[in-house]
Amino acid sequence: AQSVTQLGSHVSVSEGALVLLRCNYSSSVPPYLFWYVQYPNQGLQLLLKYTSAATLVKGINGFEAEFKKSETSFHLTKPSAHMSDAAEYFCAVGPYKYIFGTGTRLKVLA
Amino acid sequence: GAGVSQSPRYKVAKRGQDVALRCDPISGHVSLFWYQQALGQGPEFLTYFQNEAQLDKSGLPSDRFFAERPEGSVSTLKIQRTQQEDSAVYLCASSLDGYGYTFGSGTRLTVV
Repeated sequence: AQSVTQLGSHVSVSEGALVLLRCNYSSSVPPYLFWYVQYPNQGLQLLLKYTSAATLVKGINGFEAEFKKSETSFHLTKPSAHMSDAAEYFCAVGPYKYIFGTGTRLKVLA
Repeated sequence: GAGVSQSPRYKVAKRGQDVALRCDPISGHVSLFWYQQALGQGPEFLTYFQNEAQLDKSGLPSDRFFAERPEGSVSTLKIQRTQQEDSAVYLCASSLDGYGYTFGSGTRLTVV
């Protein structure tokens, strides 16, 4: 069985500050892990994915995530937040039948 | 096509009405998935196709929900006798290899 927990349904950061969105997973098989971003009234866009290669994964728009097996975590980070990063972010565990977390809404303050 | 296309984008149905939601995946993508996203929630798996074969329908919430992909390309999700609890965004996604889906923009279904 697989599950995902996203800590913090809402996160606010100042523009230029570090973004940290937390994701912990549970999986009985080697997991594939994903971060998606969703803008209002749009579908999900893949930010990055971990598929058992390098544990530090770089994605689009300056985001990256680190797979830590010992902590069962896959937190998403970005060194400097932009206003355009305001959106909802979903962590998901695979492989093929994704289980999504409940999402974290990121607010960026000017 | 360049992306996953879903139609209609918005659908308002009266309770008890049947609806059909269409998904046009990326050309050549073997895997196709349907998800249901309730307001304020993450997407939840409904069903999965590999080509025309429906390999997993464990997420379909009731026998009122039915999905098909007869020629291994376009897929239709049908909901019979819609209920208010069916109101949600229905997302379709396709994948070439089963990993790293490309999602469509979804169909927002409102049952009144």
